[in-house]
Amino acid sequence: GAVVSQHPSRVICKSGTSVKIECRSLDFQATTMFWYRQFPKQSLMLMATSNEGSKATYEQGVEKDKFLINHASLTLSTLTVTSAHPEDSSFYICSATLRGRPGSAQYFGPGTRLLVL
Amino acid sequence: KQEVTQIPAALSVPEGENLVLNCSFTDSAIYNLQWFRQDPGKGLTSLLLIQSSQREQTSGRLNASLDKSSGRSTLYIAASQPGDSATYLCAVMDTGRRALTFGSGTRLQVQP
Repeated sequence: GAVVSQHPSRVICKSGTSVKIECRSLDFQATTMFWYRQFPKQSLMLMATSNEGSKATYEQGVEKDKFLINHASLTLSTLTVTSAHPEDSSFYICSATLRGRPGSAQYFGPGTRLLVL
Repeated sequence: KQEVTQIPAALSVPEGENLVLNCSFTDSAIYNLQWFRQDPGKGLTSLLLIQSSQREQTSGRLNASLDKSSGRSTLYIAASQPGDSATYLCAVMDTGRRALTFGSGTRLQVQP
């Protein structure tokens, strides 16, 4: 149980285009999902916290107009990188916690590798 | 602001050795601490989760301890194997927010 999927797993796009990444909890409901970013040889850094039915909370330094997050249902959150540039190339990973269990483990998706040319 | 530090940054050992990875955190107000494994270019695999009220968790050859008051955790790997080669990440969940703060990881190489 507690499986999180991400789609796509890998995307290559031209500079200036927008890319949407989906994060789904397959067998549980997640009121909260998290989006992390990992640059090469670095650890994961939290970008934003996504709450179902409300606006996402962004970490300091993360542009909310560039990284649009939508959490329309209890099993789906999307991250859209708008007008992507080469510096946005990174590994994006989402995670989810079980509904009603704030201290429970986080379950991570397999990640999406974005390369902007 | 929570800060998580992992030592050593890299470790190379011969197969069969027992080894210890260290993690320290600055704010002891945590819900839990998790250890993850990450293979190159891949996502995270959760290894062990220790709740703040617990002192250790075991899974197979892995044992993780938690000393919340001193802000430390260790991951003990017994009888290491080449398949254990990966980056090991420590992450804490603060009581103030439910996101995880990650350490920078320990890159482990087990030589056959």
